Amino acid sequence: EPEVTQTPSHQVTQMGQEVILRCVPISNHLYFYWYRQILGQKVEFLVSFYNNEISEKSEIFDDQFSVERPDGSNFTLKIRSTKLEDSAMYFCASSEAVAGGGYTFGSGTRLTVV
Amino acid sequence: GEDVEQSLFLSVREGDSSVINCTYTDSSSTYLYWYKQEPGAGLQLLTYIFSNMDMKQDQRLTVLLNKKDKHLSLRIADTQTGDSAIYFCAETAIYSGAGSYQLTFGKGTKLSVIP
Repeated sequence: EPEVTQTPSHQVTQMGQEVILRCVPISNHLYFYWYRQILGQKVEFLVSFYNNEISEKSEIFDDQFSVERPDGSNFTLKIRSTKLEDSAMYFCASSEAVAGGGYTFGSGTRLTVV
Repeated sequence: GEDVEQSLFLSVREGDSSVINCTYTDSSSTYLYWYKQEPGAGLQLLTYIFSNMDMKQDQRLTVLLNKKDKHLSLRIADTQTGDSAIYFCAETAIYSGAGSYQLTFGKGTKLSVIP
């Protein structure tokens, strides 16, 4: 069964450092997403991406965040200057055009900012 | 804004049925989903229901939707220890932006199955 792959599974970084979280979506999906889950809280939408541009973003997705599809397979989330409150599990997902199919999520990257 | 609420914990005996409940506020919700998260793993789509349906069955899983009360439930028949996980309810409204759609999740219900 096709999978969404995320790397690394766990990243520890110092406050103020830049991090890049990587994802390989399912190859025939056209819509890509990042969500995050702070420990004990809800899974929250960050951003959706289609046709090489952001189609929607939440209030959480401020200027510190950016996304990129640098080649035909990878989809990355960059946090420019990490803060302690960025510590969370970050999930990448991809979907086909029809909402009824649901997303396919990756296993997540646990980001710990110290 | 939209909100999705779930009870946080449920404990059942192996072989019994589990019922996980969810309420949502967005009356324009079109699809409602159940995702399963096992420890250390991602979110696995279990099933979904379109808002014009009131029931969907898929093997041991039965989804019931009461659109009037904005109440969704997931029933797992003959619950097994392998069903122990966190179950997330999620909803989406009509498409937002060229085919992409945003999911609003509940906090998740941790199901513990007692052998």
